[in-house]
Amino acid sequence: EAGVAQSPRYKIIEKRQSVAFWCNPISGHATLYWYQQILGQGPKLLIQFQNNGVVDDSQLPKDRFSAERLKGVDSTLKIQPAKLEDSAVYLCASSLGSGGYQETQYFGPGTRLLVL
Amino acid sequence: AQSVAQPEDQVNVAEGNPLTVKCTYSVSGNPYLFWYVQYPNRGLQFLLKYITGDNLVKGSYGFEAEFNKSQTSFHLKKPSALVSDSALYFCAVRVSYSGAGSYQLTFGKGTKLSVIP
Repeated sequence: EAGVAQSPRYKIIEKRQSVAFWCNPISGHATLYWYQQILGQGPKLLIQFQNNGVVDDSQLPKDRFSAERLKGVDSTLKIQPAKLEDSAVYLCASSLGSGGYQETQYFGPGTRLLVL
Repeated sequence: AQSVAQPEDQVNVAEGNPLTVKCTYSVSGNPYLFWYVQYPNRGLQFLLKYITGDNLVKGSYGFEAEFNKSQTSFHLKKPSALVSDSALYFCAVRVSYSGAGSYQLTFGKGTKLSVIP
C-alpha cells in the first residue's frame, strides 16, 4: 500500500514570496491533515479536512495560509506571503476516518521550508 | 487544559538494555493515546495506540506501552534496545476542541532516544 506522498521535499524561498505544498493521501482515506512542525517541537495541526470539507482550521493563520482539497483526494497548502517564522517542516497526514480505530493518522515525509 | 507532556528531552540507553520513554497526559474523559517515531528527515511513523481494552499495548518493532489511568501515564517501553531505535519519539493524545465529536491530536514536544553501542 502506498503511503502519503508529499512534494516538494525541500524548499528555500525569500520572505514575502509565496510557496505551495502538495499532498496525496493514502487511497481511501477520507480525512486529511496538515501540520506545522517547528524545530524542537511536536507537530501542530493547521487544518483538517473530511473529504473535501474543512473540519477544523482554527490554528491556520488565515491572513497568509490557505489550503484546499477540491476533489476530496489530494490537497495543497499555500503560504503567501511567507515570513521568517514560517520556516518549519510541513507534514501531511491521512486517516480512514475520524472516529475510534479509524483515527490512526499516517504521515508523509514532510516538506522542509526555509524562509530567508 | 487538555495536554500531553514528555518530561525528558533526551534518553540515553545502552544497546541491549531495556528502554522507557515517558509520557503523561491530561484530558477530560477517556483518552486515546498514540506513540509515533520520527527518523531524521522523515515523517512520523505510527508505533502503537491505546483506545480501550488491555492496558498493555503492543506495537511495531517490538515496542509496547502501558496505559496507567491512575497515574495518567502512557510510557513507551522496549525490553532490549537496538542502535537502530535511535530516533525522536512523540506521544500524542486525542483532545476535543469544539463541539461534540470534534477531535484533534495534540503532540508532546518529543524525546530524543539515543541507543549507545
